[in-house]
Amino acid sequence: DAGVTQSPTHLIKTRGQQVTLRCSPKSGHDTVSWYQQALGQGPQFIFQYYEEEERQRGNFPDRFSGHQFPNYSSELNVNALLLGDSALYLCASSLGGRGEQYFGPGTRLTVT
Amino acid sequence: QKEVEQDPGPLSVPEGAIVSLNCTYSNSAFQYFMWYRQYSRKGPELLMYTYSSGNKEDGRFTAQVDKSSKYISLFIRDSQPSDSATYLCAMSGSFGNEKLTFGTGTRLTIIP
Repeated sequence: DAGVTQSPTHLIKTRGQQVTLRCSPKSGHDTVSWYQQALGQGPQFIFQYYEEEERQRGNFPDRFSGHQFPNYSSELNVNALLLGDSALYLCASSLGGRGEQYFGPGTRLTVT
Repeated sequence: QKEVEQDPGPLSVPEGAIVSLNCTYSNSAFQYFMWYRQYSRKGPELLMYTYSSGNKEDGRFTAQVDKSSKYISLFIRDSQPSDSATYLCAMSGSFGNEKLTFGTGTRLTIIP
């Protein structure tokens, strides 16, 4: 049973560029949440997708947007990258937004 | 003031010792309390969750919640070198249905 998978593993971008990160939830899960974890900090909630709609959003600017596909996979898009966007981006999935949130290994984004 | 405060450590203890990890919080709406373990360059893994106040035991791990003091703890008995990781406390208003609010994490090293 595959767990949560994320791609790519690492990414290096330049300030001002745009990036797309991808997440496939654990088999049977329909809810995907995205978190940003800066070095030495705990993860911070970006947003959650359920039934292809953004259900909740954290305190992140509109430069951060997402999408959920009919197969429940999800994308996180970040526009106009800033140096401060460098972090580990984590995807977590759950069933119906209930129960345990399973985390993927993350995508490490470096903005230069 | 952060909603969740956690001593970042680092914390080093000898193998076999009892480890105590703690978090305090300010949001009275938190009902579910979780402890995640995160190895270097990996995603967080859920260790235990507790609803409201009380204790919960799972093998060598015991989680305690004191809502009156807004204080939660994780105890690790007979600590092993494989327990060396960063431990994150997390909280939500409902289990899996809302965003998780994390502490900064405590980096723990068990010395053989």
